[in-house]
Amino acid sequence: TQLLEQSPQFLSIQEGENLTVYCNSSSVFSSLQWYRQEPGEGPVLLVTVVTGGEVKKLKRLTFQFGDARKDSSLHITAAQPGDTGLYLCAVRTGTASKLTFGTGTRLQVTL
Amino acid sequence: DTGVSQDPRHKITKRGQNVTFRCDPISEHNRLYWYRQTLGQGPEFLTYFQNEAQLEKSRLLSDRFSAERPKGSFSTLEIQRTEQGDSAMYLCASSLVEGELFFGEGSRLTVL
Repeated sequence: TQLLEQSPQFLSIQEGENLTVYCNSSSVFSSLQWYRQEPGEGPVLLVTVVTGGEVKKLKRLTFQFGDARKDSSLHITAAQPGDTGLYLCAVRTGTASKLTFGTGTRLQVTL
Repeated sequence: DTGVSQDPRHKITKRGQNVTFRCDPISEHNRLYWYRQTLGQGPEFLTYFQNEAQLEKSRLLSDRFSAERPKGSFSTLEIQRTEQGDSAMYLCASSLVEGELFFGEGSRLTVL
């Protein structure tokens, strides 16, 4: 079983639509990160959320950490083709503080 | 460019051959991580180094896989006797202790 389950797995929408992707777990985390990965590139950190219930905004992207710190959501307003990519949530685990990634949501935004 | 660099970007090999990937981390970063990513999935942790010491290895890292970071700078990941199931993107990342991980662009391996 995966530590972090993301949904949906794949989302294809038109430019201007809104969308929400989810990252769920049965475990509690001290923090959670969201990454975006474009084809042929490595993941790039978008945001880190730390406090239960915390909301962070990055332009048209809104990130929320669940009150119980077990889940998170990413909402994109008025999606643009440049938002296309693989969205990954991740948490630090173990003594190495290594990242454990979720299953990913692949977003495709078309004109 | 002072980011994480990986070489080669693409490698096509025949089953049974050995391959080696190189990662050059950001120069002041003392931690270096290797991940494997299959198409459409999230990266999976393979191993990490703090300076030259390999401190953790995933169970995904079979005996055919070996990683080194001889002088605490660049790292190599070697896969011996490649199998088709080894086909994946191999990602390297570096960080300061407890710091943000910065990823390279990855090395894509195709085993025929």
